Amino acid sequence: NAGVTQTPKFQVLKTGQSMTLQCAQDMNHNSMYWYRQDPGMGLRLIYYSASEGTTDKGEVPNGYNVSRLNKREFSLRLESAAPSQTSVYFCASSGFTEAFFGQGTRLTVV
Amino acid sequence: DQQVKQNSPSLSVQEGRISILNCDYTNSMFDYFLWYKKYPAEGPTFLISISSIKDKNEDGRFTVFLNKSAKHLSLHIVPSQPGDSAVYFCAAREGGFKTIFGAGTRLFVKA
Repeated sequence: NAGVTQTPKFQVLKTGQSMTLQCAQDMNHNSMYWYRQDPGMGLRLIYYSASEGTTDKGEVPNGYNVSRLNKREFSLRLESAAPSQTSVYFCASSGFTEAFFGQGTRLTVV
Repeated sequence: DQQVKQNSPSLSVQEGRISILNCDYTNSMFDYFLWYKKYPAEGPTFLISISSIKDKNEDGRFTVFLNKSAKHLSLHIVPSQPGDSAVYFCAAREGGFKTIFGAGTRLFVKA
């Protein structure tokens, strides 16, 4: 019973490097989300996908791109990482009610 | 501009007493509200929710109250237990998908 699986769990990047965070869910949910969590800021929505084939910007989309590869997978890409993107990233999926979250990816940009 | 605000960063309560966590919102288009609980190094987990057409929802020790005119909701935990110590996030949803979270309140329940 995996739920929402995120990879990797930890990552250190140098400024300017790129990387993709992967997320997959096995609950047949239509909607998927990417959030970042920073101290004192709570969870801020980066991008979301209401259904396969659609993506929309959230509260803090700058510096990120997403791909809804299929119904199961929703990836987040940092094209040129900046220290301000140091954060914990959470992927989530939902049906009609609550969202289910992955364990998070702790990303450090040096 | 925060649409969902949790103005208390932390709350300390004695075991067995009531914990009240508060949340305010500004967007009148929100139609569904949720509370999540988060332990360190884990993802948030769903706790309880309420639709905008209701003013109260109860699930065991947890009750959520919604005051639409004041754009305010609260989570009551009675009785509080040490295992309830965690960060609690209030969240609000618009249009069935876009869910915005507050900054969280860290609850400490003392034994």
